[in-house]
Amino acid sequence: DQQVKQNSPSLSVQEGRISILNCDYTNSMFDYFLWYKKYPAEGPTFLISISSIKDKNEDGRFTVFLNKSAKHLSLHIVPSQPGDSAVYFCAASVNSGGSNYKLTFGKGTLLTVNP
Amino acid sequence: GAVVSQHPSWVICKSGTSVKIECRSLDFQATTMFWYRQFPKQSLMLMATSNEGSKATYEQGVEKDKFLINHASLTLSTLTVTSAHPEDSSFYICSASPRNEQYFGPGTRLTVT
Repeated sequence: DQQVKQNSPSLSVQEGRISILNCDYTNSMFDYFLWYKKYPAEGPTFLISISSIKDKNEDGRFTVFLNKSAKHLSLHIVPSQPGDSAVYFCAASVNSGGSNYKLTFGKGTLLTVNP
Repeated sequence: GAVVSQHPSWVICKSGTSVKIECRSLDFQATTMFWYRQFPKQSLMLMATSNEGSKATYEQGVEKDKFLINHASLTLSTLTVTSAHPEDSSFYICSASPRNEQYFGPGTRLTVT
């Protein structure tokens, strides 16, 4: 049973436009959500996170939106750049406090930004 | 930001041998580290939680006698794949967390021939 779902395996956008990556979850106990970016043969790089007490968090070109009632979150990248091309993983955890929580990952979405 | 390193970055070994992978937190102390495995085009799957000074906690389906974890200090955790077989070939990644976000190592590509 996959608790974190990224239903789009790939997404292609034009440079300068907005990229919207979506993620759905089923476990209502999740209270902390993160997005990671990953290049092939490298470890994931942390991008942005959001606590369940918020519905939006913004950091530069990256914004994460959380809709708790729909159990849905999305990552917006604007403007998109060719260097953003990578696999993006959505992750969620229970018990956001502390540093010893487990992450549950989605399967990832391959974003391709075309020049 | 927090830096996590792994060594080696890639290793090829013969079936039946053991391989040790190191995970280090370079600029922070980590009482807890995590070990993941990723197969091609799959998600990252948590294998175990490594706890400094105590036994690791393994996820369901992960053989603790095959994947030995030692977290001997606050900056080092090791994963030993014992009696490796070709089906153990995968990309192994560790992570650690100084705050709320987990930071990942660069990963280790293991190929068992």
